[in-house]
Amino acid sequence: DAMVIQNPRYQVTQFGKPVTLSCSQTLNHNVMYWYQQKSSQAPKLLFHYYDKDFNNEADTPDNFQSRRPNTSFCFLDIRSPGLGDAAMYLCATSRVGRSVTEAFFGQGTRLTVV
Amino acid sequence: GESVGLHLPTLSVQEGDNSIINCAYSNSASDYFIWYKQESGKGPQFIIDIRSNMDKRQGQRVTVLLNKTVKHLSLQIAATQPGDSAVYFCADSVGAGTALIFGKGTTLSVSS
Repeated sequence: DAMVIQNPRYQVTQFGKPVTLSCSQTLNHNVMYWYQQKSSQAPKLLFHYYDKDFNNEADTPDNFQSRRPNTSFCFLDIRSPGLGDAAMYLCATSRVGRSVTEAFFGQGTRLTVV
Repeated sequence: GESVGLHLPTLSVQEGDNSIINCAYSNSASDYFIWYKQESGKGPQFIIDIRSNMDKRQGQRVTVLLNKTVKHLSLQIAATQPGDSAVYFCADSVGAGTALIFGKGTTLSVSS
């Protein structure tokens, strides 16, 4: 029944070692988002894809990259994770036509950097 | 940058009371607003949304009120239950094709 699936749920990576988080959706939504959420904070938008168009937030570090090979999948690549990148990473999808609609979230991937 | 924020970081209520969670937004061009509920260790869950051409919308036990004059949004939960305990976020969007920006959350604690 899960509509937005994130893998893995928990990821441990070494400082500076590239890591990729994945997200898939069964909703056929045209927009996919990546958020970073640190403890006791609101989700912070990193970037989103509107169909194939990539939209990066101005304050998203270059260390974070994303790929969307097809409608169903989206990846978050962290090129050189630092201790400050430890967080919950949330993927969401939305159907945007004439206007935006609610975003559906996955359960998140909790990233630990050691 | 962040355009949405909440007034109070925490709210404690008794089971059966009505809860009101508030949110202020700064972007007068915001035209779509959503409330999310997030339980510990889980992704945000959609509660209710409202567009800027409305000032009130009701769901099951929840009502969202939008006051565009003062750029204020509120979520009312009727007959609050222990299962309503969570962090509540408001989020807004401007126009089509843009993403949702979250405000700071309010932690709702319901005691029985």
